[in-house]
Amino acid sequence: LAKTTQPISMDSYEGQEVNITCSHNNIATNDYITWYQQFPSQGPRFIIQGYKTKVTNEVASLFIPADRKSSTLSLPRVSLSDTAVYYCLVGTSNFGNEKLTFGTGTRLTIIP
Amino acid sequence: NAGVTQTPKFQVLKTGQSMTLQCAQDMNHNSMYWYRQDPGMGLRLIYYSASEGTTDKGEVPNGYNVSRLNKREFSLRLESAAPSQTSVYFCASSRTGANSPLHFGNGTRLTVT
Repeated sequence: LAKTTQPISMDSYEGQEVNITCSHNNIATNDYITWYQQFPSQGPRFIIQGYKTKVTNEVASLFIPADRKSSTLSLPRVSLSDTAVYYCLVGTSNFGNEKLTFGTGTRLTIIP
Repeated sequence: NAGVTQTPKFQVLKTGQSMTLQCAQDMNHNSMYWYRQDPGMGLRLIYYSASEGTTDKGEVPNGYNVSRLNKREFSLRLESAAPSQTSVYFCASSRTGANSPLHFGNGTRLTVT
């Protein structure tokens, strides 16, 4: 399965747009990209999932370029409550979720 | 709609003691999972159950056993706790299929002294 690389930490001010990029150079044809958010003392929460181009929901947008070797999670107008760890996962439709690997994620800190 | 419920929330054990962590989901999901998360690290899969009646080892199964009691419940047992098992344990569930999002409980914080 594709290994992912994302920044260890990021800081941003309230009200700004935050973009977290994940690199997955050896992504395979059947792989999809999923992002989770984890607050302290809670389990991870699904944010968004995509295969190519752009996906948007009420929480975030996910941008995936044509070569799919990276993806960018975009959080519009962040607030203090967006302070969390964000995980990028790459999984294949050939297997179930048991093959997913959670790395250390990106620790996003929102500054007032 | 409670989602995934884990009990207990906190537990302290002495080395060698045993205990069972309970997990239940009310979303009619087929698949359930147990993860552990150590400080500053990502989640590692201990065991999973792709469907009722089946269980399989994940990345770090040593020292643990599981039981898929029915479709709703998936328990994790530590037969003889060790300090290395001090961690936060998360249970998750999902529909069948690789694209199905995982739904997590809020975890059990276990300390083994």
